[in-house]
Amino acid sequence: GNSVTQMEGPVTLSEEAFLTINCTYTATGYPSLFWYVQYPGEGLQLLLKATKADDKGSNKGFEATYRKETTSFHLEKGSVQVSDSAVYFCALGNAGGTSYGKLTFGQGTILTVHP
Amino acid sequence: NAGVTQTPKFQVLKTGQSMTLQCAQDMNHNSMYWYRQDPGMGLRLIYYSASEGTTDKGEVPNGYNVSRLNKREFSLRLESAAPSQTSVYFCASRDQGKGYEQYFGPGTRLTVT
Repeated sequence: GNSVTQMEGPVTLSEEAFLTINCTYTATGYPSLFWYVQYPGEGLQLLLKATKADDKGSNKGFEATYRKETTSFHLEKGSVQVSDSAVYFCALGNAGGTSYGKLTFGQGTILTVHP
Repeated sequence: NAGVTQTPKFQVLKTGQSMTLQCAQDMNHNSMYWYRQDPGMGLRLIYYSASEGTTDKGEVPNGYNVSRLNKREFSLRLESAAPSQTSVYFCASRDQGKGYEQYFGPGTRLTVT
């Protein structure tokens, strides 16, 4: 079945540091890949997505590239801000079989950015 | 547009009590989902409704029931709450014609004592 594995957290960085959060997946077919962000006390918001191999999703300075050869979708940002402190979830969506558009989530990575 | 709304935001129940979590979306989406979020486990799918009039079990359906009342509303019912159901519950919706991204509500934090 489908699965998503994220790097273990929590991740603590200083402001303006470079961020990488690793995400690898196992899936049948050709899934769509997503990064969601959850700010404290809120629901999940879509951060970026990629729907096919070699696509790069980007938003708010964050980027991730769909790498089919390594089954990865790592999240990166060149210079993090305190306001980026949140929980980040990698997810995949796949139409294969009777999945009805269900998303499979990684366990989440807590990011804390200090001034 | 309000997007996806959920009520209540917080709830405390005693073991054995019942309650219904409400969810509504105003985006005219076909599909709706209920997830629970537990520390270190990401989000796990409880039930989903691919379209109005249909519902199906997800990964962790035991102890829950759902009703797709109409296209807008999808409720989750706990008939006899247990401490293991202490969690944060999220409702989400999706437009089947526009990819796989889902849009989430703000969540309900449920504590069962």
